[in-house]
Amino acid sequence: AQKITQTQPGMFVQEKEAVTLDCTYDTSDPSYGLFWYKQPSSGEMIFLIYQGSYDQQNATEGRYSLNFQKARKSANLVISASQLGDSAMYFCAMREGRTGGFKTIFGAGTRLFVKA
Amino acid sequence: GAGVSQSPSNKVTEKGKDVELRCDPISGHTALYWYRQRLGQGLEFLIYFQGNSAPDKSGLPSDRFSAERTGESVSTLTIQRTQQEDSAVYLCASSPGLAVYEQYFGPGTRLTVT
Repeated sequence: AQKITQTQPGMFVQEKEAVTLDCTYDTSDPSYGLFWYKQPSSGEMIFLIYQGSYDQQNATEGRYSLNFQKARKSANLVISASQLGDSAMYFCAMREGRTGGFKTIFGAGTRLFVKA
Repeated sequence: GAGVSQSPSNKVTEKGKDVELRCDPISGHTALYWYRQRLGQGLEFLIYFQGNSAPDKSGLPSDRFSAERTGESVSTLTIQRTQQEDSAVYLCASSPGLAVYEQYFGPGTRLTVT
């Protein structure tokens, strides 16, 4: 069964607008962590943001925020004020605290295109 | 400071040959991970090491794949009798510890099996 689902293979957004990238996850472990990574065309993986399952508030890092809806098992990434440099692949990932050890499972990714 | 480095950056090999991929983690990072990324796909967990604990090999796709790590330094991923489906980018990441969530990734090794 898919543990991480990213339903948007590609997304377009106008420069300076906000965009939401969807991510849903599946786990029975009460302790887990959710991540978002960015992968530009250069291939490097860049950590963006982290949300713990017990965190009371949504995580924010600069222009990135994570819309964490625990009951719906969703962890959407919101990028505000999109920039041309935001064009890249974005991966949602999860690490289960107990049953999964410390391995991290990644989704298939969403390719974001920012239009000038 | 130096980041995670991987070598070679590109490797082309014939089907049936063995290959060895190397990862140098960030100094002081006790956790090390290997992932495989096929073209246009997400990352597939292969294995992780944490200090002197037994590695979690649960992601290795077959017994042709193995990995070693010397203490808390260099790791090598070996693929024996390579197959065309092994063609992918192999990414290594390190972390200060398993309790620290951010992983720092290397640039990857692009493996092409002909």
